Amino acid sequence: QKEVEQDPGPLSVPEGAIVSLNCTYSNSAFQYFMWYRQYSRKGPELLMYTYSSGNKEDGRFTAQVDKSSKYISLFIRDSQPSDSATYLCAMSAGGANSKLTFGKGITLSVRP
Amino acid sequence: DGGITQSPKYLFRKEGQNVTLSCEQNLNHDAMYWYRQDPGQGLRLIYYSQIVNDFQKGDIAEGYSVSREKKESFPLTVTSAQKNPTAFYLCASSIRGTFDEQYFGPGTRLTVT
Repeated sequence: QKEVEQDPGPLSVPEGAIVSLNCTYSNSAFQYFMWYRQYSRKGPELLMYTYSSGNKEDGRFTAQVDKSSKYISLFIRDSQPSDSATYLCAMSAGGANSKLTFGKGITLSVRP
Repeated sequence: DGGITQSPKYLFRKEGQNVTLSCEQNLNHDAMYWYRQDPGQGLRLIYYSQIVNDFQKGDIAEGYSVSREKKESFPLTVTSAQKNPTAFYLCASSIRGTFDEQYFGPGTRLTVT
């Protein structure tokens, strides 16, 4: 079982839809969770950073972490064509020499 | 304007040649990283450095080398020993440790023929 699994996609939704992107993980030591957005041929951009369980909201984006289920989600409300990108989840256990483990990413397309 | 710069954006080399990718940051971050991104593979860690003059191998260090002589610079050399060097290379940095938020540069697309 891979440490981090992400729905492979691609995902296509109409403009204005609510989008749910998910990752599951197997390492119970993970406690730092991030979502990155990557436009084509660009570097990933940090969208959300959360520590431990709970929800975090930033504008149209909500990150949710459920450590008991080893499951994280990113919700995008009122999706826009400009949200079309690849979304990567990433997580780390923290501590010296712990690494950031990434999901493979899911490509989202928002149709006007 | 704070950020991470990588140059060049596109790089072409012949097989058997070593090539060095540049990464510079002016964020005053202690830690810097190199990742490789291939289609369908996600990001894989090549090398990272948490402090000047020190660096550690990541998951796929074979065929690569790095140096960290200055806090703001972390160049990556892709040697002729790297079997499949064609990829998108991303440099990142974080304030301190490896679990902090990492901020990425724009990437360098290396093509070796």
